[in-house]
Amino acid sequence: VQLVESGGGLVQPGGSLRLSCEAFGFTVSNSYMTWFRQAPGKGLEWVAVIYSGGSRFPADSVKGRFTISRDTSKNTLYLQMNSLRPEDTAIYFCARELMGPFDSWGQGALVTVSS
Amino acid sequence: EIVMTQSPVTLSVSPGERATLSCRASHYVSSNLAWYQQKPGQAPRLLIFGASTRATGIPDRFSGSGSGTEFTLTIASLQTEDFAVYYCQQYNNWPPGSFGQGTKLEIK
Repeated sequence: VQLVESGGGLVQPGGSLRLSCEAFGFTVSNSYMTWFRQAPGKGLEWVAVIYSGGSRFPADSVKGRFTISRDTSKNTLYLQMNSLRPEDTAIYFCARELMGPFDSWGQGALVTVSS
Repeated sequence: EIVMTQSPVTLSVSPGERATLSCRASHYVSSNLAWYQQKPGQAPRLLIFGASTRATGIPDRFSGSGSGTEFTLTIASLQTEDFAVYYCQQYNNWPPGSFGQGTKLEIK
């Protein structure tokens, strides 16, 4: 089981970015998948979850700006981030939930929002 | 929202000694509690789930205990590779779940 992230980078405030998380060894669409983020020197913050049935829930801090989705054919999870703010600067991790705990994590993608 | 509070914030322990980390939930979470280890530049790694069950491949020097609102992670005979930040996470109320702020375990 492995998760490989891509898509991080530097973006100006108000800009957009899409993160990808490709899964190996299991099927994304059969799993509960979550995005977390970690600001520099800070703890873990939940960003959004997508359930196996397709229901999606974002955190209040990103509601209306970030969208979690998946592509079954590519076995990949995405996080579309719009209207980015400096406070969105963080390392973003994708993770698989296994009936509560998160047993597999991506390596992390750094997103920097700055002018 | 369930708030998770970890103590201490920083713990200094010598290699070979025992470390005891605490986690308290603001509301009852049963045994729906996990512990993670995070080293600099790495993703978190699941250590314990169900408050006391070790994840696959986790050495038996790591043990978890507690239920309800009070939990403990014990690391017996600390190895050099154990010095890291440790987070507890409740999943009794999900989403949104909640993590503690972390305990940094450093070499004394």
